[in-house]
Amino acid sequence: AQSVTQLGSHVSVSEGALVLLRCNYSSSVPPYLFWYVQYPNQGLQLLLKYTTGATLVKGINGFEAEFKKSETSFHLTKPSAHMSDAAEYFCAVSHTGGGNKLTFGTGTQLKVEL
Amino acid sequence: DGGITQSPKYLFRKEGQNVTLSCEQNLNHDAMYWYRQDPGQGLRLIYYSQIVNDFQKGDIAEGYSVSREKKESFPLTVTSAQKNPTAFYLCASSFQEVYGYTFGSGTRLTVV
Repeated sequence: AQSVTQLGSHVSVSEGALVLLRCNYSSSVPPYLFWYVQYPNQGLQLLLKYTTGATLVKGINGFEAEFKKSETSFHLTKPSAHMSDAAEYFCAVSHTGGGNKLTFGTGTQLKVEL
Repeated sequence: DGGITQSPKYLFRKEGQNVTLSCEQNLNHDAMYWYRQDPGQGLRLIYYSQIVNDFQKGDIAEGYSVSREKKESFPLTVTSAQKNPTAFYLCASSFQEVYGYTFGSGTRLTVV
């Protein structure tokens, strides 16, 4: 079985400050890890993913995430927040042989303040 | 451009009526999924289909039905048996686990 925990359902940062959204996963086999972003009344958009290889992955809009196997984590970061980053962010996990099913975290709402 | 189209964007229905939400993809993906989203509750899986003419119940299938007669289409019917149908519904498709999902833009259903 696999699971995802996103710490903090709401995170607030100042514009220009570091964004850190936390994601821990549980998987008995090597995971595939994803971050999605959702703007109000829209579908989810893929930000970035880790499958194999380099553990630091870069995505769209200046976001990046680092896969840390020892910590079972895949935290999402952005050096400098912009007002347009305000959205809900979902972490998800899957794996080969997992029946092509993603397990999602409960989401983190990011608020960016002036 | 390839993608998933959900229609309509907004849907209003009277209580007791069945309503069908459309989901069409031109990505040639085998797997398709329906999720329900309520404020503060994340994504909950309603039904999924790994191949044409086959589908499985997700975590909250009661009061919903689906069909998968074509690879491109996976419509969701919200029946009168669904006690709280007002929600945001998302359709997704996938090729393989390693690629994740592609999502549609969602349908907001309001039942009055």
